[in-house]
Amino acid sequence: AQKVTQAQTEISVVEKEDVTLDCVYETRDTTYYLFWYKQPPSGELVFLIRRNSFDEQNEISGRYSWNFQKSTSSFNFTITASQVVDSAVYFCALSDFGNEKLTFGTGTRLTIIP
Amino acid sequence: EAQVTQNPRYLITVTGKKLTVTCSQNMNHEYMSWYRQDPGLGLRQIYYSMNVEVTDKGDVPEGYKVSRKEKRNFPLILESPSPNQTSLYFCASSLSLRVQPDTQYFGPGTRLTVL
Repeated sequence: AQKVTQAQTEISVVEKEDVTLDCVYETRDTTYYLFWYKQPPSGELVFLIRRNSFDEQNEISGRYSWNFQKSTSSFNFTITASQVVDSAVYFCALSDFGNEKLTFGTGTRLTIIP
Repeated sequence: EAQVTQNPRYLITVTGKKLTVTCSQNMNHEYMSWYRQDPGLGLRQIYYSMNVEVTDKGDVPEGYKVSRKEKRNFPLILESPSPNQTSLYFCASSLSLRVQPDTQYFGPGTRLTVL
């Protein structure tokens, strides 16, 4: 069974600080996919990234970076030099290779204090 | 413009009165899915579809039905709604969860209240 844990329910940081959102997953499959999504206060859902389990290279996109560590079953998300626009709920999700079912974590509410 | 549309955006209904929430995408995507969002529970997948006439259960399918007769449409049907189905519902589409481009597009959400 798939499971995603986002232990941090809420995080607040002051603008320009770096912040890391944790994601720990469980799966029996050796091949799987991991995702991050953003839900700003306006409520829409925005896809951020997908990673394959066979590619452990970390990814950087501007101020966003993702650290995938198979050994600890984690897929953490770091925002560098945070901005107020980064305030949102962030969800991590997992899909096993055997199907296209998607399991989400419960989300982390990030507040950037100006 | 690439988009996923959902209707209605808001709906208040009563227990047992059948309802359908429509979802339509204009990107020729094969993969479509429905999610519900509840406080403290995050997002949970209800059903997904990998192509026309192919649907499968997500984590919380009880009380819901779907159909995929055409590629662009993926309606969510509540045959006999109950108060525990009060929630915010999102539809999404993508080519697949597996291939590039892997971007998923979400509808704006439907807020459903069952009295």
